Amino acid sequence: GNSVTQMEGPVTLSEEAFLTINCTYTATGYPSLFWYVQYPGEGLQLLLKATKADDKGSNKGFEATYRKETTSFHLEKGSVQVSDSAVYFCALSDDYKLSFGAGTTVTVRA
Amino acid sequence: DVKVTQSSRYLVKRTGEKVFLECVQDMDHENMFWYRQDPGLGLRLIYFSYDVKMKEKGDIPEGYSVSREKKERFSLILESASTNQTSMYLCASSWGVLGAQPQHFGDGTRLSIL
Repeated sequence: GNSVTQMEGPVTLSEEAFLTINCTYTATGYPSLFWYVQYPGEGLQLLLKATKADDKGSNKGFEATYRKETTSFHLEKGSVQVSDSAVYFCALSDDYKLSFGAGTTVTVRA
Repeated sequence: DVKVTQSSRYLVKRTGEKVFLECVQDMDHENMFWYRQDPGLGLRLIYFSYDVKMKEKGDIPEGYSVSREKKERFSLILESASTNQTSMYLCASSWGVLGAQPQHFGDGTRLSIL
């Protein structure tokens, strides 16, 4: 079946550092890909999405490009802030549901 | 904005009790989902529903049931709670074709079974 693997955390960065969270997937067909973010004490929020190969999703300074040749959807941000501290989940559409990665905890220090 | 509301943020129950978790969405979405979230495991789908009175098992339905009597409400039921059901439970909703659209999540219910 379809599955998602994302880099393990936790990741700790200083403010204004560059953030990359790796995500690779295994899928049949052409799934849509998503990044969700979960801030402390809250549910998940959609951060960005891409629906086909070479699409780039972007939001709040975050970007991810759907790479079919490497089956990847890595999340990047050029300059993180303390407010970006959260758990990040990569997910793919899998027939009737979403399949999620295990989540990566990111902590940004001032 | 879509609003998905879960009835409780924190809940403490005893082993063997029947537990109800309620979820309401206000955007007339066809699809609703229940997940549990455990550290290192991400989110795992328990049940989902694509229409009123319709329900389908997800990846880990054992020990759970659901009810969807109205379009906006989706209830998760733990028939006889056990300690291994201590977890964070997240409800979500989406519109349109299942799987194709993003899901909108509630803030979660942290359930402890003693």
